[in-house]
Amino acid sequence: DAGVIQSPRHEVTEMGQEVTLRCKPISGHNSLFWYRQTMMRGLELLIYFNNNVPIDDSGMPEDRFSAKMPNASFSTLKIQPSEPRDSAVYFCASSPRVAGGREQYFGPGTRLTVT
Amino acid sequence: AQSVAQPEDQVNVAEGNPLTVKCTYSVSGNPYLFWYVQYPNRGLQFLLKYITGDNLVKGSYGFEAEFNKSQTSFHLKKPSALVSDSALYFCAVRDGPGNTPLVFGKGTRLSVIA
Repeated sequence: DAGVIQSPRHEVTEMGQEVTLRCKPISGHNSLFWYRQTMMRGLELLIYFNNNVPIDDSGMPEDRFSAKMPNASFSTLKIQPSEPRDSAVYFCASSPRVAGGREQYFGPGTRLTVT
Repeated sequence: AQSVAQPEDQVNVAEGNPLTVKCTYSVSGNPYLFWYVQYPNRGLQFLLKYITGDNLVKGSYGFEAEFNKSQTSFHLKKPSALVSDSALYFCAVRDGPGNTPLVFGKGTRLSVIA
């Protein structure tokens, strides 16, 4: 099992540019989560999907952020336009179809730097 | 609403000594409790979970955690710390069995000193 795959691993961009982060969940998982991690705010849930449908996007900080999950094996998080305060590590996680308590499996993260 | 608290930002322990990383939780129903570890420049890695059954849960790398319902706690423990255990540890909770997101604590940085 390859685990959750995220790309790119590092992204450096200039303020105002569009940034797209990508995630491939573990095959067979029915839930996908996007998190942001910063020193100041810790780990924040941005949005999550169940069966490719967005369930709760209340954590998305602004309209500049959008996320899609066109199919069960792919999701994107887009920031347009990007700002320096968006600099953070963005994690994608997925959760399996099992009964009972379901742990989330995290990808390696994308470190975004906006200059 | 569900929540989890990790009262210590930093825990320092000498190699070979026992370690404890504290976690308390608040839920309206039955808690599902989890511990994750994050090594530098890596994603969060699942360590162990409590769903039901024995209050003492054993997980990866020799870690264990004890569920205490009366104290609403789920402290992470290890009998003998290793320098390689130095990392950021997160406690998380879910209220019930549904596939809703875990609610994470702020994390505790563990430093094991040789």
